[in-house]
Amino acid sequence: NAGVTQTPKFRILKIGQSMTLQCTQDMNHNYMYWYRQDPGMGLKLIYYSVGAGITDKGEVPNGYNVSRSTTEDFPLRLELAAPSQTSVYFCASSGLVAGELFFGEGSRLTVL
Amino acid sequence: EDQVTQSPEALRLQEGESSSLNCSYTVSGLRGLFWYRQDPGKGPEFLFTLYSAGEEKEKERLKATLTKKESFLHITAPKPEDSATYLCAVQVRGNTPLVFGKGTRLSVIA
Repeated sequence: NAGVTQTPKFRILKIGQSMTLQCTQDMNHNYMYWYRQDPGMGLKLIYYSVGAGITDKGEVPNGYNVSRSTTEDFPLRLELAAPSQTSVYFCASSGLVAGELFFGEGSRLTVL
Repeated sequence: EDQVTQSPEALRLQEGESSSLNCSYTVSGLRGLFWYRQDPGKGPEFLFTLYSAGEEKEKERLKATLTKKESFLHITAPKPEDSATYLCAVQVRGNTPLVFGKGTRLSVIA
């Protein structure tokens, strides 16, 4: 099993550009999450989903959008990129025990 | 507001020098406390789940304990390969998303 796969691993954006971070999992997990991690700041929840068709905001949702059309995929859309969105983004999923998360390798985004 | 505080921010140990990492929490109702390990450039990896005060879990040189206000991650005779950032997270009220602490960056020197 591949687990949780994120693409791209690295991306540089210009201010005002848009992009989508892709996340897919092959464990048939219902729960999926997007976190961002800034140096010394821990993991902050952006959006999460408890199943296909259901999404909810986390702690820091502004500037982002998500969709969950299938169990496997949970893309994160950045509209009008800003320097404050420079960060490492992690996608994660969990099954029956919602606190036992499986993380992807991360996507490092720089906005210049 | 649910809060998780980890200390120290960074810890440097000699190989074989045992120590403990602390995770204190202020939450409205704890459902579970989780420990993760994160290596540089990687996503966090799940280590332990603790559900009730007095519970302990062990894995190799690591032992996690839980009280009503905090959790400790004890590292016995650490090796350089134990160097990583250790993250603590709490879950409240059913299957709500985890709230993470900022982590403790552990360096073990040979």
